[in-house]
Amino acid sequence: NAGVTQTPKFQVLKTGQSMTLQCAQDMNHNSMYWYRQDPGMGLRLIYYSASEGTTDKGEVPNGYNVSRLNKREFSLRLESAAPSQTSVYFCAGRQASSYEQYFGPGTRLTVT
Amino acid sequence: QQQVKQSPQSLIVQKGGISIINCAYENTAFDYFPWYQQFPGKGPALLIAIRPDVSEKKEGRFTISFNKSAKQFSLHIMDSQPGDSATYFCAAGMDSSYKLIFGSGTRLLVRP
Repeated sequence: NAGVTQTPKFQVLKTGQSMTLQCAQDMNHNSMYWYRQDPGMGLRLIYYSASEGTTDKGEVPNGYNVSRLNKREFSLRLESAAPSQTSVYFCAGRQASSYEQYFGPGTRLTVT
Repeated sequence: QQQVKQSPQSLIVQKGGISIINCAYENTAFDYFPWYQQFPGKGPALLIAIRPDVSEKKEGRFTISFNKSAKQFSLHIMDSQPGDSATYFCAAGMDSSYKLIFGSGTRLLVRP
């Protein structure tokens, strides 16, 4: 089992460009999450999907959109990237009735 | 009320020493308190977790101490090893949403 996978690992964008971060899991997770990690800020929730077909905003959703394509895949889209979105992005999944979240390896995004 | 405050920001400990990281929360509805460990270039991984009905939980060299009245919990790493050098995040969650609120992280360095 691959667990939670994320692509790409690294990305550099210019201000105003768009891109989609991909996340897939083979752990039968019902819920999936997108976080951003910034120095001194911990992990902040951007969006989450409690189950297939549903998505909800987290703490810092502005500038992002998400799609829960199916049970396995949860993508994060930046429509018009800004330097403030320079960060490390983590996807995570969770099985029903369990708190434990399993994280992917992260995507390091730089917006110039 | 949703914040989880973590300290210190960084910690240097000699091999064999005790590492102590502290967290405090405000929202008494939180009922799950995990600690995540993150190595450079990797996603966070669950280390140990506690529910508020117990005051202490121990797994090997790692212990969570929980003080419900003070709304504080801490991670103790006994006999700290260089391999424990990582960033540690505390978090808090509640059954109603299964979302986690993370602390800002502590970078631990264990010197040989």
